[in-house]
Amino acid sequence: QQQVKQSPQSLIVQKGGISIINCAYENTAFDYFPWYQQFPGKGPALLIAIRPDVSEKKEGRFTISFNKSAKQFSLHIMDSQPGDSATYFCAASMGLIGATNKLIFGTGTLLAVQP
Amino acid sequence: KAGVTQTPRYLIKTRGQQVTLSCSPISGHRSVSWYQQTPGQGLQFLFEYFSETQRNKGNFPGRFSGRQFSNSRSEMNVSTLELGDSALYLCASSLTASGGNEQFFGPGTRLTVL
Repeated sequence: QQQVKQSPQSLIVQKGGISIINCAYENTAFDYFPWYQQFPGKGPALLIAIRPDVSEKKEGRFTISFNKSAKQFSLHIMDSQPGDSATYFCAASMGLIGATNKLIFGTGTLLAVQP
Repeated sequence: KAGVTQTPRYLIKTRGQQVTLSCSPISGHRSVSWYQQTPGQGLQFLFEYFSETQRNKGNFPGRFSGRQFSNSRSEMNVSTLELGDSALYLCASSLTASGGNEQFFGPGTRLTVL
Protein backbone atom coordinates (compact mmCIF):
# COMPACT_ATOMS: atom_id res chain seq x y z
CA GLN A 1 0.00 0.00 0.00
CA GLN A 2 2.99 2.26 0.44
CA GLN A 3 4.12 1.81 -3.17
CA VAL A 4 3.98 4.27 -6.01
CA LYS A 5 4.05 2.58 -9.42
CA GLN A 6 5.64 4.54 -12.25
CA SER A 7 5.66 3.94 -15.99
CA PRO A 8 7.24 3.80 -18.46
CA GLN A 9 10.72 2.85 -17.29
CA SER A 10 12.23 4.72 -20.24
CA LEU A 11 10.92 7.10 -22.86
CA ILE A 12 12.29 8.49 -26.11
CA VAL A 13 10.65 11.63 -27.48
CA GLN A 14 11.47 13.84 -30.41
CA LYS A 15 12.29 17.48 -29.78
CA GLY A 16 9.09 19.49 -29.63
CA GLY A 17 6.99 16.47 -28.71
CA ILE A 18 5.02 15.74 -25.55
CA SER A 19 6.51 13.50 -22.87
CA ILE A 20 4.01 11.72 -20.62
CA ILE A 21 4.93 9.81 -17.47
CA ASN A 22 2.33 8.05 -15.35
CA CYS A 23 2.13 7.09 -11.69
CA ALA A 24 -0.39 5.17 -9.62
CA TYR A 25 -0.82 4.73 -5.88
CA GLU A 26 -2.97 2.71 -3.50
CA ASN A 27 -2.82 4.56 -0.21
CA THR A 28 -5.62 7.13 -0.11
CA ALA A 29 -3.90 8.82 2.84
CA PHE A 30 -1.32 10.31 0.48
CA ASP A 31 -1.97 14.03 0.22
CA TYR A 32 1.04 15.48 -1.53
CA PHE A 33 2.36 14.41 -4.94
CA PRO A 34 5.62 15.98 -6.19
CA TRP A 35 7.61 15.26 -9.32
CA TYR A 36 11.40 15.38 -9.24
CA GLN A 37 13.96 15.69 -12.02
CA GLN A 38 17.43 14.22 -11.62
CA PHE A 39 20.44 14.73 -13.84
CA PRO A 40 23.45 12.40 -13.64
CA GLY A 41 25.67 13.24 -10.68
CA LYS A 42 23.08 15.52 -9.12
CA GLY A 43 20.44 15.19 -6.45
CA PRO A 44 16.75 15.24 -7.41
CA ALA A 45 15.22 18.69 -7.91
CA LEU A 46 11.55 19.48 -7.41
CA LEU A 47 9.75 20.24 -10.67
CA ILE A 48 6.14 20.62 -9.70
CA ALA A 49 3.80 19.28 -7.02
CA ILE A 50 0.06 18.86 -6.54
CA ARG A 51 -2.44 18.13 -3.78
CA PRO A 52 -5.49 15.87 -4.29
CA ASP A 53 -7.99 18.73 -4.16
CA VAL A 54 -6.72 19.97 -7.53
CA SER A 55 -7.11 18.05 -10.81
CA GLU A 56 -4.44 19.86 -12.79
CA LYS A 57 -1.50 22.15 -12.17
CA LYS A 58 0.64 23.81 -14.80
CA GLU A 59 4.02 25.47 -14.45
CA GLY A 60 5.57 26.52 -17.73
CA ARG A 61 5.94 23.48 -19.96
CA PHE A 62 5.24 21.08 -17.09
CA THR A 63 1.71 19.94 -16.17
CA ILE A 64 0.51 17.50 -13.54
CA SER A 65 -2.84 15.83 -14.15
CA PHE A 66 -4.39 14.23 -11.08
CA ASN A 67 -7.24 11.70 -11.03
CA LYS A 68 -8.25 11.11 -7.43
CA SER A 69 -10.88 8.44 -8.14
CA ALA A 70 -8.45 6.39 -10.23
CA LYS A 71 -5.57 7.09 -7.82
CA GLN A 72 -3.37 8.11 -10.71
CA PHE A 73 -1.34 11.16 -11.61
CA SER A 74 0.82 12.02 -14.56
CA LEU A 75 3.47 14.48 -15.69
CA HIS A 76 3.21 16.07 -19.13
CA ILE A 77 6.20 17.88 -20.59
CA MET A 78 5.12 20.01 -23.51
CA ASP A 79 7.53 21.03 -26.29
CA SER A 80 10.15 18.63 -24.94
CA GLN A 81 13.74 19.81 -25.34
CA PRO A 82 17.07 17.93 -25.33
CA GLY A 83 17.84 19.70 -22.04
CA ASP A 84 14.87 17.87 -20.49
CA SER A 85 16.72 14.57 -20.88
CA ALA A 86 16.96 13.29 -17.33
CA THR A 87 15.41 10.80 -14.93
CA TYR A 88 12.01 11.77 -13.57
CA PHE A 89 10.56 10.49 -10.32
CA CYS A 90 7.04 10.79 -9.04
CA ALA A 91 6.55 10.66 -5.30
CA ALA A 92 3.83 10.69 -2.69
CA SER A 93 3.66 11.73 0.92
CA MET A 94 1.23 11.77 3.82
CA GLY A 95 2.57 15.20 4.51
CA LEU A 96 -0.39 16.93 6.06
CA ILE A 97 -1.95 13.94 7.79
CA GLY A 98 1.31 12.47 9.00
CA ALA A 99 3.11 15.79 9.57
CA THR A 100 6.08 14.28 7.79
CA ASN A 101 8.33 15.05 4.87
CA LYS A 102 8.83 11.34 4.12
CA LEU A 103 8.50 10.71 0.39
CA ILE A 104 7.64 7.41 -1.26
CA PHE A 105 9.24 7.49 -4.70
CA GLY A 106 8.28 5.79 -7.93
CA THR A 107 10.93 3.76 -9.73
CA GLY A 108 11.88 6.53 -12.14
CA THR A 109 11.59 7.19 -15.87
CA LEU A 110 14.65 7.83 -17.99
CA LEU A 111 13.66 10.41 -20.59
CA ALA A 112 15.72 11.00 -23.73
CA VAL A 113 14.69 13.86 -26.00
CA GLN A 114 16.20 13.47 -29.44
CA PRO A 115 17.14 16.62 -31.36
CA LYS B 1 21.56 31.13 -0.40
CA ALA B 2 23.82 28.10 -0.32
CA GLY B 3 22.24 24.76 -1.11
CA VAL B 4 22.37 21.50 0.79
CA THR B 5 25.95 20.40 1.37
CA GLN B 6 26.96 16.78 1.75
CA THR B 7 30.39 15.54 2.69
CA PRO B 8 32.27 13.62 1.59
CA ARG B 9 31.10 13.36 -2.01
CA TYR B 10 32.78 10.00 -2.58
CA LEU B 11 33.78 7.30 -0.17
CA ILE B 12 35.30 3.85 -0.57
CA LYS B 13 35.15 1.44 2.34
CA THR B 14 35.59 -2.28 2.86
CA ARG B 15 33.12 -4.74 4.31
CA GLY B 16 32.84 -4.62 8.07
CA GLN B 17 33.95 -1.01 8.39
CA GLN B 18 31.72 1.81 9.49
CA VAL B 19 31.08 5.15 7.84
CA THR B 20 29.71 8.56 8.82
CA LEU B 21 28.14 10.87 6.28
CA SER B 22 27.41 14.53 6.91
CA CYS B 23 24.70 16.88 5.71
CA SER B 24 24.41 20.63 6.17
CA PRO B 25 20.90 21.85 5.32
CA ILE B 26 20.00 25.17 3.77
CA SER B 27 20.30 27.97 6.29
CA GLY B 28 17.09 28.26 8.29
CA HIS B 29 15.85 24.78 7.41
CA ARG B 30 15.21 22.62 10.43
CA SER B 31 14.09 19.37 8.84
CA VAL B 32 16.54 16.90 7.34
CA SER B 33 15.69 13.62 5.64
CA TRP B 34 18.00 10.92 4.31
CA TYR B 35 17.43 8.65 1.32
CA GLN B 36 19.35 5.76 -0.20
CA GLN B 37 19.43 5.52 -3.99
CA THR B 38 20.44 2.32 -5.78
CA PRO B 39 19.77 1.07 -9.33
CA GLY B 40 17.87 -1.93 -7.98
CA GLN B 41 15.78 -0.41 -5.18
CA GLY B 42 15.50 3.18 -6.38
CA LEU B 43 15.06 5.98 -3.85
CA GLN B 44 14.25 4.71 -0.38
CA PHE B 45 13.58 6.75 2.73
CA LEU B 46 16.00 6.22 5.61
CA PHE B 47 15.05 8.72 8.33
CA GLU B 48 13.74 12.18 9.03
CA TYR B 49 14.87 14.60 11.70
CA PHE B 50 13.41 17.81 13.00
CA SER B 51 14.78 19.86 15.89
CA GLU B 52 17.21 17.07 16.84
CA THR B 53 14.41 14.48 17.07
CA GLN B 54 13.94 11.52 14.77
CA ARG B 55 10.38 11.80 13.51
CA ASN B 56 10.29 8.91 11.09
CA LYS B 57 12.40 5.90 10.18
CA GLY B 58 12.40 3.78 7.05
CA ASN B 59 12.64 0.02 6.80
CA PHE B 60 16.39 -0.35 7.21
CA PRO B 61 18.37 -2.49 9.66
CA GLY B 62 19.67 -1.06 12.90
CA ARG B 63 23.13 -0.70 11.35
CA PHE B 64 21.79 2.52 9.85
CA SER B 65 21.51 5.33 12.34
CA GLY B 66 21.46 9.09 12.32
CA ARG B 67 21.29 12.18 14.39
CA GLN B 68 20.70 15.89 14.10
CA PHE B 69 22.55 18.62 15.93
CA SER B 70 21.26 21.86 17.39
CA ASN B 71 22.43 23.76 14.29
CA SER B 72 20.28 21.40 12.14
CA ARG B 73 23.29 19.68 10.62
CA SER B 74 22.79 15.95 10.40
CA GLU B 75 24.93 12.86 10.24
CA MET B 76 24.12 9.31 9.33
CA ASN B 77 26.19 6.32 10.30
CA VAL B 78 26.33 2.87 8.82
CA SER B 79 28.12 0.24 10.86
CA THR B 80 29.42 -3.17 9.76
CA LEU B 81 29.22 -2.27 6.10
CA GLU B 82 27.94 -4.81 3.60
CA LEU B 83 28.43 -4.89 -0.15
CA GLY B 84 24.75 -4.07 -0.59
CA ASP B 85 25.22 -0.77 1.20
CA SER B 86 26.95 0.62 -1.88
CA ALA B 87 24.66 3.44 -2.96
CA LEU B 88 24.18 7.15 -3.38
CA TYR B 89 23.08 8.60 -0.05
CA LEU B 90 21.02 11.73 -0.42
CA CYS B 91 20.13 14.31 2.15
CA ALA B 92 17.15 16.64 1.76
CA SER B 93 16.36 19.71 3.78
CA SER B 94 13.05 21.40 4.33
CA LEU B 95 11.88 24.42 6.24
CA THR B 96 9.57 22.55 8.59
CA ALA B 97 8.29 19.06 9.29
CA SER B 98 4.66 19.91 8.72
CA GLY B 99 4.60 18.00 5.46
CA GLY B 100 4.01 19.03 1.89
CA ASN B 101 7.02 21.28 1.99
CA GLU B 102 9.48 21.55 -0.83
CA GLN B 103 12.49 19.41 -0.10
CA PHE B 104 15.85 20.45 -1.45
CA PHE B 105 18.26 17.61 -2.13
CA GLY B 106 22.00 17.71 -1.86
CA PRO B 107 24.30 16.16 -4.49
CA GLY B 108 24.69 13.01 -2.43
CA THR B 109 27.55 10.93 -1.10
CA ARG B 110 28.55 8.03 -3.33
CA LEU B 111 29.52 5.13 -1.05
CA THR B 112 31.29 2.13 -2.51
CA VAL B 113 31.80 -0.92 -0.30
CA LEU B 114 34.46 -3.37 -1.47
